[in-house]
Amino acid sequence: SQTIHQWPATLVQPVGSPLSLECTVEGTSNPNLYWYRQAAGRGLQLLFYSVGIGQISSEVPQNLSASRPQDRQFILSSKKLLLSDSGFYLCAWRGGAGDGYTFGSGTRLTVV
Amino acid sequence: SQQGEEDPQALSIQEGENATMNCSYKTSINNLQWYRQNSGRGLVHLILIRSNEREKHSGRLRVTLDTSKKSSSLLITASRAADTASYFCATTSNDYKLSFGAGTTVTVRA
Repeated sequence: SQTIHQWPATLVQPVGSPLSLECTVEGTSNPNLYWYRQAAGRGLQLLFYSVGIGQISSEVPQNLSASRPQDRQFILSSKKLLLSDSGFYLCAWRGGAGDGYTFGSGTRLTVV
Repeated sequence: SQQGEEDPQALSIQEGENATMNCSYKTSINNLQWYRQNSGRGLVHLILIRSNEREKHSGRLRVTLDTSKKSSSLLITASRAADTASYFCATTSNDYKLSFGAGTTVTVRA
């Protein structure tokens, strides 16, 4: 069966520090992968998506970047975090029953 | 940018009652999906309805879609305390990117 792993679950980082969040998918090949951010009490905003290794599309200009070094690995990064980067980050892949998306458990990032 | 908008923003009901929430969207879609999010957790896919479908059922869930009005509704029948969560509608177009609304927070009182 397909599973998606996302870590860490929580992260507190100082302003100006780097960031690396990792997402891996198991049980499928060549998945479409997505990074979303959710501000407190809000819906999800699509940040990046990838249809294959090395293929990254950015949805909004921001302080973050994404990479896909392997088929089932999707990484969200920043060189220098801003306070506004705080939020709940969710990785997802498109697949499973009826084309629904499967989400990871999320990383709550607090920039202090 | 957000494609869907849910209404109401918050809903409080008694256990056993039905809960109905609505979603409106702006552009043409391939399908519309509903997700549930328990507090501080990831999203769980509930149901998907395609643009050529009008109604779909899954257990206690009933989803309708009216493409002429660009709207959808989610009905949860015989609600339980475990249904307390935020519910999001999301749409996909030809590019299969999911666009989410801001969600409806449902509280089921025992």
